[in-house]
Amino acid sequence: AQSVSQHNHHVILSEAASLELGCNYSYGGTVNLFWYVQYPGQHLQLLLKYFSGDPLVKGIKGFEAEFIKSKFSFNLRKPSVQWSDTAEYFCAVNPSYNTDKLIFGTGTRLQVFP
Amino acid sequence: EAGVTQFPSHSVIEKGQTVTLRCDPISGHDNLYWYRRVMGKEIKFLLHFVKESKQDESGMPNNRFLAERTGGTYSTLKVQPAELEDSGVYFCASSPALSYEQYFGPGTRLTVT
Repeated sequence: AQSVSQHNHHVILSEAASLELGCNYSYGGTVNLFWYVQYPGQHLQLLLKYFSGDPLVKGIKGFEAEFIKSKFSFNLRKPSVQWSDTAEYFCAVNPSYNTDKLIFGTGTRLQVFP
Repeated sequence: EAGVTQFPSHSVIEKGQTVTLRCDPISGHDNLYWYRRVMGKEIKFLLHFVKESKQDESGMPNNRFLAERTGGTYSTLKVQPAELEDSGVYFCASSPALSYEQYFGPGTRLTVT
């Protein structure tokens, strides 16, 4: 079945550690890719998006993601996390050929300790 | 600019009762989406309005769910009668015409007991 997979369900890091969250999808053809973040008590916010062009996209708060078409992946990275990055992160795919809907992964809960 | 708002923030109802959730999109956004997250699982698409028309309702679980968008402004999602498995967080999102970037509301947490 077509899906979006986030393999890391819960990640625990110390401040200043590097972060990489995996996201793989199984849709063929053209896709639009997103990472959303939900901080505690807040609503989902867009971190970054990829529609076309440079496969390395930069988002807010120092996050970046790389689209690797051959691997059907869109991993999220940050060189040095902060305590304030504690949140749940969602990868989402829009299989743009016939729909505007977003297909989400199960989410990754990140805890950063000072 | 006001964001997407949802009401209520929490709702606790008994099995068999009816609940209506409301979403007010960002002003001027033609597209309105409903999603649901059942505990521990992924956020799942329910349906998509373009203005007042249902563009895609492929994610609606069954006919106990009824969504409307009167006049292409706010939207309501009614669950009647509610079942235990309907518990979860219901998110609304909106986007401008010809945009894939969706702006999410804070969600309504529905608990069916």
